[in-house]
Amino acid sequence: GQNIDQPTEMTATEGAIVQINCTYQTSGFNGLFWYQQHAGEAPTFLSYNVLDGLEEKGRFSSFLSRSKGYSYLLLKELQMKDSASYLCATFGGSSNTGKLIFGQGTTLQVKP
Amino acid sequence: DTEVTQTPKHLVMGMTNKKSLKCEQHMGHRAMYWYKQKAKKPPELMFVYSYEKLSINESVPSRFSPECPNSSLLNLHLHALQPEDSALYLCASSREGHRMGQFFGPGTRLTVL
Repeated sequence: GQNIDQPTEMTATEGAIVQINCTYQTSGFNGLFWYQQHAGEAPTFLSYNVLDGLEEKGRFSSFLSRSKGYSYLLLKELQMKDSASYLCATFGGSSNTGKLIFGQGTTLQVKP
Repeated sequence: DTEVTQTPKHLVMGMTNKKSLKCEQHMGHRAMYWYKQKAKKPPELMFVYSYEKLSINESVPSRFSPECPNSSLLNLHLHALQPEDSALYLCASSREGHRMGQFFGPGTRLTVL
């Protein structure tokens, strides 16, 4: 089966760094995605990790440990506009199906 | 063109109405998806089209009928919906093989009265 866990809510201060964790259990692993979704808007693709390690893209970085079934999204130099829901997702079964399974999402509130 | 477009943005319909949601992408993606998203919940996959053929139907009720007229267009035909079907309906597309990120359209906010 498929199980993805992430914290429901987080709060951080503008200019700070925040780490959003995601743990997953899948029958077969084919990569892990992070999406950002502002209230009332569509999810926006942030990152895709299939190999272990850290991938950096500007203020956002994503880390994966396949042996631990663990990923995190690191947001640096937080801005007010980073207040959003962050969704962790993996493929349900083979990546050839395209079936993405999402975690429940972490609502991040950035405060001044 | 690097976006997925959806029309209409908002739709209100009665339980006896027939309506259609439309989705279009011009990124050359050969996989397209329909998702349903309720408030404060993650998107839930409904259908996957790969090379214009339906490859996944997540046991969606027949009152939702998808159609892929060509590689750029995806429709979702709605008939005899229930109030609990009110949600944000998201279309997404991705390159063949699905391994790259799925790119989402802005969604259609559907209200069933």
